[in-house]
Amino acid sequence: QKEVEQNSGPLSVPEGAIASLNCTYSDRVSQSFFWYRQYSGKSPELIMSIYSNGDKEDGRFTAQLNKASQYVSLLIRDSQPSDSATYLCAVKYGGSQGNLIFGKGTKLSVKP
Amino acid sequence: EAGVAQSPRYKIIEKRQSVAFWCNPISGHATLYWYQQILGQGPKLLIQFQNNGVVDDSQLPKDRFSAERLKGVDSTLKIQPAKLEDSAVYLCASSLVPSRAGNNEQFFGPGTRLTVL
Repeated sequence: QKEVEQNSGPLSVPEGAIASLNCTYSDRVSQSFFWYRQYSGKSPELIMSIYSNGDKEDGRFTAQLNKASQYVSLLIRDSQPSDSATYLCAVKYGGSQGNLIFGKGTKLSVKP
Repeated sequence: EAGVAQSPRYKIIEKRQSVAFWCNPISGHATLYWYQQILGQGPKLLIQFQNNGVVDDSQLPKDRFSAERLKGVDSTLKIQPAKLEDSAVYLCASSLVPSRAGNNEQFFGPGTRLTVL
């Protein structure tokens, strides 16, 4: 059973703080990992992809991947109220033509 | 660059009726996906096309759902007959041809919110 697990939250952080979102996955051969942001009533928006162990930074966002621990995280620095959304972790299973399995998402609330 | 287009945005039908959704992917994206997202859940893949061929339809309820992508661009997803549990958002996504090394990023359209009464 291919699974992607996320804490559903809600995760509440004050404005300006670092928000840390976590995701674990069950298939150790997975190679591609993604974070999507989904505002209420909207469709998922890709914010980060990561393929290699370590950190990948893009603006205020940092994705971290640890394949040995089957763990991927997203850090949001200097959190803003506009970051309040549900963050979906997605893992690609099954090789080059494999598909994304999404977690249920973590709801983040950034308080002014 | 235009994004993924979907229509209609909202649809309300009664159970046992039929409904169809349309999707136009990002220009140049050979791979197209249909997902179902139930409230409070992550999207679940229903079917994946590469050009006009089906790559994966293992989670498509084939007794009532069908999809086609006849010319390798636009796609239609149909439900016939609809059940109450089909109430969800139907998302279309597209990507370049995926590989182990890259091109795996999928971009979503705005979705169609279906309510079955």
